[in-house]
Amino acid sequence: RKEVEQDPGPFNVPEGATVAFNCTYSNSASQSFFWYRQDCRKEPKLLMSVYSSGNEDGRFTAQLNRASQYISLLIRDSKLSDSATYLCVVNDYKLSFGAGTTVTVRA
Amino acid sequence: EAQVTQNPRYLITVTGKKLTVTCSQNMNHEYMSWYRQDPGLGLRQIYYSMNVEVTDKGDVPEGYKVSRKEKRNFPLILESPSPNQTSLYFCASSSLAGGLRDTQYFGPGTRLTVL
Repeated sequence: RKEVEQDPGPFNVPEGATVAFNCTYSNSASQSFFWYRQDCRKEPKLLMSVYSSGNEDGRFTAQLNRASQYISLLIRDSKLSDSATYLCVVNDYKLSFGAGTTVTVRA
Repeated sequence: EAQVTQNPRYLITVTGKKLTVTCSQNMNHEYMSWYRQDPGLGLRQIYYSMNVEVTDKGDVPEGYKVSRKEKRNFPLILESPSPNQTSLYFCASSSLAGGLRDTQYFGPGTRLTVL
């Protein structure tokens, strides 16, 4: 079983829609969690950390469910500029990356 | 400007011809690492370094070497490249002040093709 698994998508949504996707992780002792964004084979960049209580950053909401070992990312009011691949990253004393979920927002 | 630089950005080479990809960061970060990214597999760590002269294997170290003689530089060496090392390579750095909770800063990537 992969350490971090993501639905690759693609999620194809119209502008203004809400899109949400999950990432599951295998190590119950994992310490911290992140979402990174990657545009078209460019370098990944931190989107947000994921806190135990859940957290929001503008239109983005991240949640952690330790019992079921998954994290989620929800994007509200999607913009064209949100089109990207979203990488789930899990820290269990080393960083493990998911293969990414591709989101395409259409006009 | 805080950044991680990699060179070259693109490289086409032939099997067996030694090459080095350089990585440099100007943020005084302790932690540096190399990843390769292949379709459907995500980013896989090749090697990492917690500080000068301290390096360790990641998940896919075979066929690669690294060195960390200075804090800012972390070159990736392919002594005898093979076609299965054709990939997109990223160098990354971060502070260790918060463990691995700090932001990873990535270089722009090196697209390597081995014929």
